[in-house]
Amino acid sequence: DIVMTQTPLSSPVTLGQPASISCRSSQSLVHSDGNTYLSWLQQRPGQPPRLLIYKVSNRFSGVPDRFSGSGAGTEFTLKISRVEAEDVGVYYCTQVTQFPRTFGQGTKLEIK
Amino acid sequence: EVQLVESGGDLVQPGGSLRLSCAASGFTFSNFGMNWVRQAPGKGLEWVSFIGSTSTAIYYADSVRGRFTVSRDNAQNSLFLQINSLRDDDTAVYYCVRLGGGRLDDYWGQGTLVTVSS
Repeated sequence: DIVMTQTPLSSPVTLGQPASISCRSSQSLVHSDGNTYLSWLQQRPGQPPRLLIYKVSNRFSGVPDRFSGSGAGTEFTLKISRVEAEDVGVYYCTQVTQFPRTFGQGTKLEIK
Repeated sequence: EVQLVESGGDLVQPGGSLRLSCAASGFTFSNFGMNWVRQAPGKGLEWVSFIGSTSTAIYYADSVRGRFTVSRDNAQNSLFLQINSLRDDDTAVYYCVRLGGGRLDDYWGQGTLVTVSS
């Protein structure tokens, strides 16, 4: 199984400042079709998860452009350019390249 | 508008069974693969199962294989998860998740809570 490791697990951030979350996979997420199926999800308190980024760097519909994804192979990053109060929650990376699907442990973003 | 509405969660004793349902609307259900993902209280996300659009492709997490059975009824726009031999560590909110084109977990239901306790 592919193990997804996120760092940090907790990230206190000042409003208006940037935030960054890293995700590392135990093996390459490049699929045989050439795509890299790495997604980022946001889970606000009391809510189901919501898709933010898919295939490493593509923002899902309605996601603000302050969210961006980057990376390749086994190393990936989610960046928030300027954190807003509504960004508080837990962020997960997940690989959709192969079964079984796996998720990172989650990174809790909180405001200082 | 895409909607996924789970139901069937309940308080069950260890060893018991449940059938979870997910009613889909707002899209052509028969065109999409579907996942079940669960989340134990205060914990992270765990993928449980996937079923392809025609039920030909079915996958399970090792932790549930042999106890859980995923199925779908495309005529009724419904997804199901039959859960048998329930254990304490199956306690979780179970989410129904659409797998969009390009392998996106693009829509999530609100979840249904399964509690296993004596």
